[in-house]
Amino acid sequence: KQEVTQIPAALSVPEGENLVLNCSFTDSAIYNLQWFRQDPGKGLTSLLLIQSSQREQTSGRLNASLDKSSGRSTLYIAASQPGDSATYLCAQNGFQKLVFGTGTRLLVSP
Amino acid sequence: DGGITQSPKYLFRKEGQNVTLSCEQNLNHDAMYWYRQDPGQGLRLIYYSQIVNDFQKGDIAEGYSVSREKKESFPLTVTSAQKNPTAFYLCASSITRDGSSYNSPLHFGNGTRLTVT
Repeated sequence: KQEVTQIPAALSVPEGENLVLNCSFTDSAIYNLQWFRQDPGKGLTSLLLIQSSQREQTSGRLNASLDKSSGRSTLYIAASQPGDSATYLCAQNGFQKLVFGTGTRLLVSP
Repeated sequence: DGGITQSPKYLFRKEGQNVTLSCEQNLNHDAMYWYRQDPGQGLRLIYYSQIVNDFQKGDIAEGYSVSREKKESFPLTVTSAQKNPTAFYLCASSITRDGSSYNSPLHFGNGTRLTVT
């Protein structure tokens, strides 16, 4: 059974810090790994998609890496801002199925 | 602007009533999905559709039904058979979801929060 775990469940940092969010998955048969952002009461916004043949993807201050052999992905946020406060979810796209983690709730304080 | 529209944003129903949640997309995407989100749990797939007039059950389809009569629309009906219907429901779409190409990101609507009392 595919499982996706995100640690920590919650994270609080002061503005300006660089931070790393972790995502672990159990199924090595992976098409891609997606990172999403969810604001309270809203839907999910796609941030980055890393294909199985790639090791990382970058968008602005965000960098996501993928290590299939260890079943891990990380989302690196540089120079965090209060506007980054949200819940971040990762999802493993395996055959026929997208499995989501429960998310890391991030709070960036000014 | 292209996107996914879910309506209504909040929905209240009495136990025993069926209720239909709307999902419309103008992204010209082939595939559409319904997820349920509960506190402390990851999103769980209810139903998905790869093409008009075809859909498949996800992990938690019991008590739900869908239709896909048009490419743009994928309504979800929560029936009285669903034991715990109170939840946040999210609709999503992607360009394609065939057996060989899953590398397109999901686009989500803003959700419908259903409360059944």
